[in-house]
Amino acid sequence: DVKVTQSSRYLVKRTGEKVFLECVQDMDHENMFWYRQDPGLGLRLIYFSYDVKMKEKGDIPEGYSVSREKKERFSLILESASTNQTSMYLCASRSLQGASQPQHFGDGTRLSIL
Amino acid sequence: TQLLEQSPQFLSIQEGENLTVYCNSSSVFSSLQWYRQEPGEGPVLLVTVVTGGEVKKLKRLTFQFGDARKDSSLHITAAQTGDTGLYLCAGASGGSYIPTFGRGTSLIVHP
Repeated sequence: DVKVTQSSRYLVKRTGEKVFLECVQDMDHENMFWYRQDPGLGLRLIYFSYDVKMKEKGDIPEGYSVSREKKERFSLILESASTNQTSMYLCASRSLQGASQPQHFGDGTRLSIL
Repeated sequence: TQLLEQSPQFLSIQEGENLTVYCNSSSVFSSLQWYRQEPGEGPVLLVTVVTGGEVKKLKRLTFQFGDARKDSSLHITAAQTGDTGLYLCAGASGGSYIPTFGRGTSLIVHP
């Protein structure tokens, strides 16, 4: 089974801090994604990466950046955390082998910015 | 931008009841996935449908992909408390890397 591991289940940070969320997948998937999930708004795509060192902005990239130096790891960075970035963050990976490949999700990081 | 509309947004039922969740779009999808997300967890894949008119069954869950591949439904027979969760549909088209997600249906099954 594919395993997508997010470094923290819960995280509390202060306004203005630089925050790193880490995600590792063990199935050599090309694509990786970062979403945030808020009640009533569903999953919103922040950034995705279609391969190593490649990244593309999603629907809500403002205030975030990403890094993908190795295929298995995709990091989300909050440059200067703000209270409106309090949310559930989900990482996902996906294989490019076949057009109907699903995404595999981590268990999420519930981030609170105080 | 492709949109996937899910309905209903919320559903609260008693154990043993049947229910249907809908996922509709004006766009054609080459494949569509259904996921279930339990509180505090990430979404987990239930099924992928790829052929128009396709019906797939997973125990008490029946998934259907519309003939035109623009819509899908999930029917649960004799719901159990373990079915409680957020049900998400996600559609993919062509060679896009990015699936389109519906906003989800939050299901609560009461004992």
